[in-house]
Amino acid sequence: AQSVAQPEDQVNVAEGNPLTVKCTYSVSGNPYLFWYVQYPNRGLQFLLKYITGDNLVKGSYGFEAEFNKSQTSFHLKKPSALVSDSALYFCAVRDSRGSKGNLIFGKGTKLSVKP
Amino acid sequence: EAGVVQSPRYKIIEKKQPVAFWCNPISGHNTLYWYRQNLGQGPELLIRYENEEAVDDSQLPKDRFSAERLKGVDSTLKIQPAELGDSAVYLCASSARRDRALLGYGYTFGSGTRLTVV
Repeated sequence: AQSVAQPEDQVNVAEGNPLTVKCTYSVSGNPYLFWYVQYPNRGLQFLLKYITGDNLVKGSYGFEAEFNKSQTSFHLKKPSALVSDSALYFCAVRDSRGSKGNLIFGKGTKLSVKP
Repeated sequence: EAGVVQSPRYKIIEKKQPVAFWCNPISGHNTLYWYRQNLGQGPELLIRYENEEAVDDSQLPKDRFSAERLKGVDSTLKIQPAELGDSAVYLCASSARRDRALLGYGYTFGSGTRLTVV
């Protein structure tokens, strides 16, 4: 079965410190992986994607993610967290069944950055 | 660009009542999705449209849910009758690029409609 796991319900970091939000996946075939962010009362916003190529992908707002095939992981990272990064973060994988491009989301991780 | 517009933002109804949600995608976006996001969970696909055609409705509970996208623009999602377990945020998303949408990216989400069934 295809799935995405986000093992942490919440991640707390101090402003200025590096942050990591974890994601592991299970898919058949090559994974297409994504990170989305959801601010309160707003829609999901695309952060970054891994389709192919370099294992380290860079996205919006200074975020990056590292694709690790052997560990089936796609952790989201940022070198220096901002209070404004506080939000709900979702990892997602493209549903490889058929060719429809639908996304399978993890349950989300709440990131809290304190001043 | 106005983005994907959804209405209403919030809706509270009693169980067994009908409810409808409306989505206006970004102009020119041919692909439209409806997702349901339960509390504490990630979004789950309900239905996907290419223009006016529902190309994937395998996860839509057809006994009580229905959707339409007349003229391939606006879309409505209806629940009749609503049950307590339908309480969730209903998200609409649209995409202009079918090639990107098929790879799983390139689409814009609306802010959602938060439904509470009491």
